[in-house]
Amino acid sequence: RKEVEQDPGPFNVPEGATVAFNCTYSNSASQSFFWYRQDCRKEPKLLMSVYSSGNEDGRFTAQLNRASQYISLLIRDSKLSDSATYLCVVTKGYSTLTFGKGTMLLVSP
Amino acid sequence: EAGVAQSPRYKIIEKRQSVAFWCNPISGHATLYWYQQILGQGPKLLIQFQNNGVVDDSQLPKDRFSAERLKGVDSTLKIQPAKLEDSAVYLCASSLVAGRPETQYFGPGTRLLVL
Repeated sequence: RKEVEQDPGPFNVPEGATVAFNCTYSNSASQSFFWYRQDCRKEPKLLMSVYSSGNEDGRFTAQLNRASQYISLLIRDSKLSDSATYLCVVTKGYSTLTFGKGTMLLVSP
Repeated sequence: EAGVAQSPRYKIIEKRQSVAFWCNPISGHATLYWYQQILGQGPKLLIQFQNNGVVDDSQLPKDRFSAERLKGVDSTLKIQPAKLEDSAVYLCASSLVAGRPETQYFGPGTRLLVL
């Protein structure tokens, strides 16, 4: 089983739609969780951290379910500019980051 | 603040040739990482430096890949000899605090094509 698994997509949604991505991780000792965004032919950039209590940043909401070992990202009111690949990342303490393969989102007019 | 610099941005070589990539991290960042990102996959850590010491190189194919960070600032990653499966984007990143993405920034990457 891969350490971090994501549905590669693509998810095709119209502008204004709500879309959710899930990510599962295999190492129960994982402690920190993040979502990154990567635009085509660009470097990954940190989108948001994921906390056990759930956290929100504008139209983006991240949730963590430790019991089921999955992380989710919800995007409300999708914009064209949200089109990108969303990478799930886990880390154990201060150790290295482990990236998922990413989920591609395409928002159409 | 200047970001992580990498060069070259693109490189095309034939298999069995050698290639080297250069990275200049953000000033003051003690931790430096090299990642390999194959098309359709997420970045995979190759090596992590803390100053000029290696912290983690468990996923570095040491028979052909080498990396150094002699003065604890710039770093080079070398592949010798290259194989077709080395075609990927090589991302350098640096961070103020090891393992904390909030302080980690990626460079633009070097896109390598091995023919």
